[in-house]
Amino acid sequence: TQLLEQSPQFLSIQEGENLTVYCNSSSVFSSLQWYRQEPGEGPVLLVTVVTGGEVKKLKRLTFQFGDARKDSSLHITAAQPGDTGLYLCAGGGRGSTLGRLYFGRGTQLTVWP
Amino acid sequence: ETGVTQTPRHLVMGMTNKKSLKCEQHLGHNAMYWYKQSAKKPLELMFVYNFKEQTENNSVPSRFSPECPNSSHLFLHLHTLQPEDSALYLCASSQVQTGLGNSPLHFGNGTRLTVT
Repeated sequence: TQLLEQSPQFLSIQEGENLTVYCNSSSVFSSLQWYRQEPGEGPVLLVTVVTGGEVKKLKRLTFQFGDARKDSSLHITAAQPGDTGLYLCAGGGRGSTLGRLYFGRGTQLTVWP
Repeated sequence: ETGVTQTPRHLVMGMTNKKSLKCEQHLGHNAMYWYKQSAKKPLELMFVYNFKEQTENNSVPSRFSPECPNSSHLFLHLHTLQPEDSALYLCASSQVQTGLGNSPLHFGNGTRLTVT
């Protein structure tokens, strides 16, 4: 089993603050996906990173894949209440597990107005 | 609208009942999945179907029985469940993975199941 540890588990901040959440593992992944899940809905893909060291930006969200492809971070600038949700990272398997996705437990983010 | 529709959204059932969850995808994908989401646990993969063929059963108890009549429809038949089976059951679809970089999953909004 390839474990992904996400931290922090819970994060509660005020609108306008910056934040970073982390996704760490001792395993190497072929890719790393980030999803956001809002209450009463299924997870929705935000981004996929594939290359070690890759950085992708999605408006106020910046995603980075670690050089060794074992970890990733998500940074949100000037958080807004609409960013509230459960952020899940998922690592893609390699070799015999290619095609499998291994999910972390998620970071529950609450942004207060 | 996610392109993946799950029904019902909520289900309460006794331990002796038999019920079915339904999932339909309108994205033209070839792979469909059942995931279980419980509090404080990572998403747990239950079953995978590629081109209607089951390719993975992640040691799921036999009281959960999947059915995939075609690439667009997926069912999860439930019988003699236990209270610990209460969870959010998510259906997802994707293109079949053929190389580096996993195909993204498109999830439905889930069925919230409560077993009494």
